[in-house]
Amino acid sequence: AQSVTQLDSQVPVFEEAPVELRCNYSSSVSVYLFWYVQYPNQGLQLLLKYLSGSTLVKGINGFEAVFNKSQTSFHLRKPSVHISDTAEYFCAVTATDSWGKLQFGAGTQVVVTP
Amino acid sequence: EAEVAQSPRYKITEKSQAVAFWCDPISGHATLYWYRQILGQGPELLVQFQDESVVDDSQLPKDRFSAERLKGVDSTLKIQPAELGDSAMYLCASSFLGTSTYEQYFGPGTRLTVT
Repeated sequence: AQSVTQLDSQVPVFEEAPVELRCNYSSSVSVYLFWYVQYPNQGLQLLLKYLSGSTLVKGINGFEAVFNKSQTSFHLRKPSVHISDTAEYFCAVTATDSWGKLQFGAGTQVVVTP
Repeated sequence: EAEVAQSPRYKITEKSQAVAFWCDPISGHATLYWYRQILGQGPELLVQFQDESVVDDSQLPKDRFSAERLKGVDSTLKIQPAELGDSAMYLCASSFLGTSTYEQYFGPGTRLTVT
């Protein structure tokens, strides 16, 4: 089984400042990793995913994530946030040989202020 | 752009009543997922379909929840009877195939409030 821990429940950040959201996972098998964003009263949208290859993953809206296998982490970052980045962010993991069942973390609420 | 459709968007029901949610996945997507998201938590998979067959319902409370996808296209999730603890967002997602490499596309969700 897999589990995901998002280390921060809420991250306040000023507009145009950088932000990093931390995600650690545990698994006894190989995994794929994902970051999703959820705006209020909406479904989830995929930001980026790590399947294999380069440990630096580029996503949409200027987000990127770094996969660190030795530290079992998959941290998300953005060099300069906008007000519109205010949302809930979820890290998720799935076993590579699974039917795609995602195990989500509890989420990190990002609040961007001017 | 194709989207996953869900209805209703909001539902208020009294405990012990029956409630049903509907999901229409993106055309051509064989795999359909129902997730429950309790406020302040991440989504939890309730049931996964591959075409019309259930491939994972290990977290579905089968004494009160049921799900079907009769023709392998749209799907219905039912709760009978509803309990106060069922208040949550119910999300439907679909993917081309049910493997980890295929992106899951989420619908807008149905927010259920049980009073």
